[in-house]
Amino acid sequence: SAVISQKPSRDICQRGTSLTIQCQVDSQVTMMFWYRQQPGQSLTLIATANQGSEATYESGFVIDKFPISRPNLTFSTLTVSNMSPEDSSIYLCSVPGTSGYTGELFFGEGSRLTVL
Amino acid sequence: DQQVKQNSPSLSVQEGRISILNCDYTNSMFDYFLWYKKYPAEGPTFLISISSIKDKNEDGRFTVFLNKSAKHLSLHIVPSQPGDSAVYFCAASGASGTYKYIFGTGTRLKVLA
Repeated sequence: SAVISQKPSRDICQRGTSLTIQCQVDSQVTMMFWYRQQPGQSLTLIATANQGSEATYESGFVIDKFPISRPNLTFSTLTVSNMSPEDSSIYLCSVPGTSGYTGELFFGEGSRLTVL
Repeated sequence: DQQVKQNSPSLSVQEGRISILNCDYTNSMFDYFLWYKKYPAEGPTFLISISSIKDKNEDGRFTVFLNKSAKHLSLHIVPSQPGDSAVYFCAASGASGTYKYIFGTGTRLKVLA
């Protein structure tokens, strides 16, 4: 399984500011995914980050609010822009465990953001 | 509309006994299912998966059962250990090759010593 590191692990942010979360994987992967877990909720897919092309966003998530970069096959960033208290969540980076049709996802340890 | 539901937010089990965690889904197009365990301050850890072409998959103490007609899957942990105390999520996917999973809200398992 891939080793996935996220920074920061947690942060407290002020309303209206932006924060960038970094995700580093120890192997090259084609697809990287960003998930959000709001308090007491399930994990929700924000977007798929593909190297060399724009990220693909899920319904309810837009690039202006959650810009994503994917400069190479081992690294991605997610920015949470113009934050409000509703953005207080755990943000998780994940990568596929196998190639092919489908399979398990492996997750980083998450970045817990609290917006005041 | 919650397509993947875990109706029990919490479960307590004695050490050594069986833990049964349940998950229901509404979309008959889902064809691959995962279970994850999550400790506080850590990311979810993959436990076991099952494809819709099977009705059972076993890995050590963990067994997942799938009942497609009932749109129901369950995770059995036997025997339960205190280290199994965590939040368990089920996830389902029906979009071929996209790894787009829909997660349940989780069940908090507490194994009592």
